[in-house]
Amino acid sequence: KAGVTQTPRYLIKTRGQQVTLSCSPISGHRSVSWYQQTPGQGLQFLFEYFSETQRNKGNFPGRFSGRQFSNSRSEMNVSTLELGDSALYLCASSLEGVAGAYEQYFGPGTRLTVT
Amino acid sequence: AQSVTQLGSHVSVSEGALVLLRCNYSSSVPPYLFWYVQYPNQGLQLLLKYTTGATLVKGINGFEAEFKKSETSFHLTKPSAHMSDAAEYFCAVSPYNTDKLIFGTGTRLQVFP
Repeated sequence: KAGVTQTPRYLIKTRGQQVTLSCSPISGHRSVSWYQQTPGQGLQFLFEYFSETQRNKGNFPGRFSGRQFSNSRSEMNVSTLELGDSALYLCASSLEGVAGAYEQYFGPGTRLTVT
Repeated sequence: AQSVTQLGSHVSVSEGALVLLRCNYSSSVPPYLFWYVQYPNQGLQLLLKYTTGATLVKGINGFEAEFKKSETSFHLTKPSAHMSDAAEYFCAVSPYNTDKLIFGTGTRLQVFP
């Protein structure tokens, strides 16, 4: 069974640009969550989607947005990039969106560098 | 609000020695607790989790953790460290009925021969 895939794996953008990151969950998984990982702030929760609905949102500015499609694939978008958006963006999927009951599987991440 | 605190950003042990990584949680209700491991340039992998029931939880790669409500702790242990255990370890808590994970700041484990 294929794991969680994230594309692209590496990305370099310039301040002010926008970026879209993609996450394909494990087949059959309906929940997708996104996290930002930086050396300074650690792992921070961005969003959680379940059956195309955003169920939870972290404390990030409105420049960060996401969506989930009917096939459970998810995208996140960051507009007007800032240097501080440089991070590893991790996606995780699970079967039913209940962390206590179903294991979340993480993808390898997309490394975004903003110059 | 739920949170976790990991004591010690770096822990160094000799191969064969006991591994102890500390995690304390803050939660007004019984939490779901997790330990994840991250190897360089990789995503996170679940080591073990506590939801309900037995307070001593066994995970993969010989790790285990004990949920102690009186101490609000969920420390991770392994009796004998292996070189392959060198990685970053994250403790996390999750609210009920959601996939949202609130992570601690992580502990980097170094294992010396």
